[in-house]
Formats: sequence, C-alpha cells, structure tokens
Amino acid sequence: DTEVTQTPKHLVMGMTNKKSLKCEQHMGHRAMYWYKQKAKKPPELMFVYSYEKLSINESVPSRFSPECPNSSLLNLHLHALQPEDSALYLCASSQTPSGSSYNEQFFGPGTRLTVL
Amino acid sequence: AQKVTQAQTEISVVEKEDVTLDCVYETRDTTYYLFWYKQPPSGELVFLIRRNSFDEQNEISGRYSWNFQKSTSSFNFTITASQVVDSAVYFCALSEGSITGANSKLTFGKGITLSVRP
Repeated sequence: DTEVTQTPKHLVMGMTNKKSLKCEQHMGHRAMYWYKQKAKKPPELMFVYSYEKLSINESVPSRFSPECPNSSLLNLHLHALQPEDSALYLCASSQTPSGSSYNEQFFGPGTRLTVL
Repeated sequence: AQKVTQAQTEISVVEKEDVTLDCVYETRDTTYYLFWYKQPPSGELVFLIRRNSFDEQNEISGRYSWNFQKSTSSFNFTITASQVVDSAVYFCALSEGSITGANSKLTFGKGITLSVRP
C-alpha cells in the first residue's frame, strides 16, 4: 500500500461550524504533514508531526488544530474558519522526518474546503 | 535561507514536442535534497524524483530526464515526446539535510503550468 488517503474530498462549511479532515497512511511512515494550497500557488506547510509528536507549527491560527492519534492517522480539526481559509488541504507522509535519505513526501489527493 | 526559483510560469507545447522545465535553487547547506512533483488537475501531488546533493548523475526514466548541475545550482526536468497526459503543474522543491531531523521542510518553487495540446 503506497498511498495516502484523505477524507472528505470536498467540504463546505459555515464560519460557525466545527469539522475535521482526516488523513491516513499505511506505509509505516513516521512523519506526517498538513499543507494548505491556494489556487495557482505552491503548497504552504502548516504542521509537521514526527513520531506522533508535533514538531513544526508554522504559526498557524488556532482555529486549525492538528491531532495525530497514532502513527497512521492525522486529523485537522477546524473551528470558526474564515472565507479566506478556503483552499485545498493536502496531507503528506514521509518515511523519516529528517533531512536524510528516504525523506520524499507522498501526498494525498487533498480536501477541497470552501468556507461560506 | 533556502529558495527555489521556477522562472517559467506557463509553457504550452504541441504533443510530441520536447519540453524542459527549469529549476534554480539557493541553499547554504552542503547536504540537501531536490525533488520534482507533478500536480495534475485532480490536485494530488505526485512524487517524480529525489536527488541528493552528492549525486550529480543525471537520470532518465522513460520519457523523463533530469539534469542536476551544482555549478549552476540547477535541477532541470525534460519531458521527451510530450503527451496530453503530461499537462499539469510541475513543482521543484528543496529540503536541507539535518542530522537532528529538526528541519524537514520542503521549499517549493512557484510551479510551472505545462499544457500539452493534441
């Protein structure tokens, strides 16, 4: 199994809603990532989990709350989002979190989020 | 600080033409990794290749080839005999080596939109 899965594929939510994005990988990877991608832009890193611990938070607003329940799962909890948070949210994983070999990141298909 | 520049923003070719996508990078590290990713309209980023800074050998994989030149800090990607299915956004990316593992960030270029017309 060499894929990263993400659910849901599409999500529309109001500014007062609470929702969660889910990401799963069964490649035994020990690093997992959340990215945000706006149209015609490169992905922007949001969070990195390394061995199930949060290792990087790129100054993301607290309305985004990541969670890593185990080495295969990564969630992103959303609350009180703004319309400008509408974007494609990508999850990725890599075998190791460090800057060493086998650190290529494998991406999921993303969740297209629209905040009304 | 590391930086990746993809000066071309959009390229349009006719099927069967060869096309080269340019990537220039900046880093102060001696150990670093370069990547190319493809993002088709469906949205998923597809990993194409990883190169480490100590391996300057060029690589060929089918119609794809990569030319890594440390002297010019470039890692260019050529598609030979392009096909409509090659239409996508292509990102070059860089990550720096870190013994502690503290730095696992990918720095992406802005991407190149390739359109292959039949």
